[in-house]
Amino acid sequence: EPEVTQTPSHQVTQMGQEVILRCVPISNHLYFYWYRQILGQKVEFLVSFYNNEISEKSEIFDDQFSVERPDGSNFTLKIRSTKLEDSAMYFCASKGRGSDNEQFFGPGTRLTVL
Amino acid sequence: GEDVEQSLFLSVREGDSSVINCTYTDSSSTYLYWYKQEPGAGLQLLTYIFSNMDMKQDQRLTVLLNKKDKHLSLRIADTQTGDSAIYFCAEENVGNEKLTFGTGTRLTIIP
Repeated sequence: EPEVTQTPSHQVTQMGQEVILRCVPISNHLYFYWYRQILGQKVEFLVSFYNNEISEKSEIFDDQFSVERPDGSNFTLKIRSTKLEDSAMYFCASKGRGSDNEQFFGPGTRLTVL
Repeated sequence: GEDVEQSLFLSVREGDSSVINCTYTDSSSTYLYWYKQEPGAGLQLLTYIFSNMDMKQDQRLTVLLNKKDKHLSLRIADTQTGDSAIYFCAEENVGNEKLTFGTGTRLTIIP
């Protein structure tokens, strides 16, 4: 069964460093998303991406964040200068076109900023 | 803005039914979802319901939707130890791609 994959599973970085979180969505999907979950808190929407551009973003998704689909398979989230409060689990999701509205989630990347 | 609320904890004896409740504020919600998250794992979609339905059954899972009260519930029949997880309610409304999640309910099974 096709699935969304994410790498790495755990990323540790120093405050101020740039990180890139990688996702491989399901191959025929057209809509892509990033969410995050700070430990013990709700899963929060960050950004949605369709047709090579951002379709919606939340207040969390400020200038320090960017997304890219550099080739036909990867979908990346970059944080330019990480802060302590960026420590969270980051989930990628993808969705196909049509009547099936399900967003399929990846296993997540745990980001720890020291 | 949208808000989704759940109780944080639920303990149930093995073999009993579990009922996890959720309330939401957005009256234009079109889809309501239940996701399961096991320790260290991602979010697994269990089931979803369209806002024009009031009930959906899928094997051991029953979803009830009271649109007037903006209340959603997930009933798990014959709860097993493998059902131990955090259950998230989420809503999506028309024209809006994002999912708004609840706080999650941690279901603990008592042997």
